[in-house]
Amino acid sequence: GQNIDQPTEMTATEGAIVQINCTYQTSGFNGLFWYQQHAGEAPTFLSYNVLDGLEEKGRFSSFLSRSKGYSYLLLKELQMKDSASYLCAVREDKLIFGAGTRLAVHP
Amino acid sequence: EAGVTQFPSHSVIEKGQTVTLRCDPISGHDNLYWYRRVMGKEIKFLLHFVKESKQDESGMPNNRFLAERTGGTYSTLKVQPAELEDSGVYFCASSQEEAGANVLTFGAGSRLTVL
Repeated sequence: GQNIDQPTEMTATEGAIVQINCTYQTSGFNGLFWYQQHAGEAPTFLSYNVLDGLEEKGRFSSFLSRSKGYSYLLLKELQMKDSASYLCAVREDKLIFGAGTRLAVHP
Repeated sequence: EAGVTQFPSHSVIEKGQTVTLRCDPISGHDNLYWYRRVMGKEIKFLLHFVKESKQDESGMPNNRFLAERTGGTYSTLKVQPAELEDSGVYFCASSQEEAGANVLTFGAGSRLTVL
């Protein structure tokens, strides 16, 4: 079956670092995506991992371990505008989403 | 470049009525996807068009849902007759290539409330 797990909610302080974990069990794997979604808006693409290792893009980094079925999204130097839902998604032949992690950044 | 546009942003209808949602993908994107998020649950795949052809409609819940993409440009998703459990946010996404990273660009969604 297909299963993508991520924490429901997280809180963090402005300026800090937060790591959002995602574990997955899928019948196929053609890459893992992270999307950011602010309330009432479109999910927007953050990162893509298909090989093991870390992909860094500015304040955001994403890590993948295919053997462990595990990924994380690392957000550094948190800003208030980073308060949003973060969606982990795995592509089999189609994109399968986790339920998302709601991140609240406090001053 | 204009993004993915969806209309209406919010629709409130009564059980048994019909609703048609529209999606305008990014110009030149052959791939168009419909997804749905029911409250509290994850975003779930409904179907995938390549140009005007249905590539994969395995996520369509039942025959009350009809998706079309005549001419391979915009797409419509009709729900007829609507039931209470159809309430949710319907997202449309498009992409240029199916292979490789194939990053999907999403619209802001159409929120459907069935009373």
